[in-house]
Amino acid sequence: SQQGEEDPQALSIQEGENATMNCSYKTSINNLQWYRQNSGRGLVHLILIRSNEREKHSGRLRVTLDTSKKSSSLLITASRAADTASYFCATGGTGNQFYFGTGTSLTVIP
Amino acid sequence: EPEVTQTPSHQVTQMGQEVILRCVPISNHLYFYWYRQILGQKVEFLVSFYNNEISEKSEIFDDQFSVERPDGSNFTLKIRSTKLEDSAMYFCASSEGGLAGGRAETQYFGPGTRLLVL
Repeated sequence: SQQGEEDPQALSIQEGENATMNCSYKTSINNLQWYRQNSGRGLVHLILIRSNEREKHSGRLRVTLDTSKKSSSLLITASRAADTASYFCATGGTGNQFYFGTGTSLTVIP
Repeated sequence: EPEVTQTPSHQVTQMGQEVILRCVPISNHLYFYWYRQILGQKVEFLVSFYNNEISEKSEIFDDQFSVERPDGSNFTLKIRSTKLEDSAMYFCASSEGGLAGGRAETQYFGPGTRLLVL
């Protein structure tokens, strides 16, 4: 299976702290995307990183990709209560579909 | 900012009934997708659609499912005879391009339709 698997499954931090989530996958990918999902809501695209990229930034988000280890990490700096959500990695292979992991549930305590 | 929209937001149906879930992708996007998420589980790919035909589909997308782009703006998912296990959140997504399209392949998701089959 190509599906990404995130860890930890749940993460609880204080507002202002940094949150790091990891994603591992099993097969070769062309790109990897991170999404956020608030409870019962849709998926919001955060960032896409291609297989030839090692790091990308977007605002308070930093994503790294290590294709040799088949892993990616999402770092949210200076977290806010509004960052409370589930975060998913989705891997894209040779086709156009994405395979989602089980997600990390992040709680930011004010 | 353009967004993907879906209707209805919630649908309750009886087992065996047909349902049609509707989506309006972002207007300049060429690739369209359906995913589903059973409560508490992963988001699962169902089907991708490009140039008026299915380009990829998963094992979940069996003969009970069909997709259509009936006009220039809507993209629909039909479930012919619903089963209890079809209860899930169904997400539509669209992207400007696909992997081989030479354009951005970021997929933008709609808010979802929550389907409950009784």
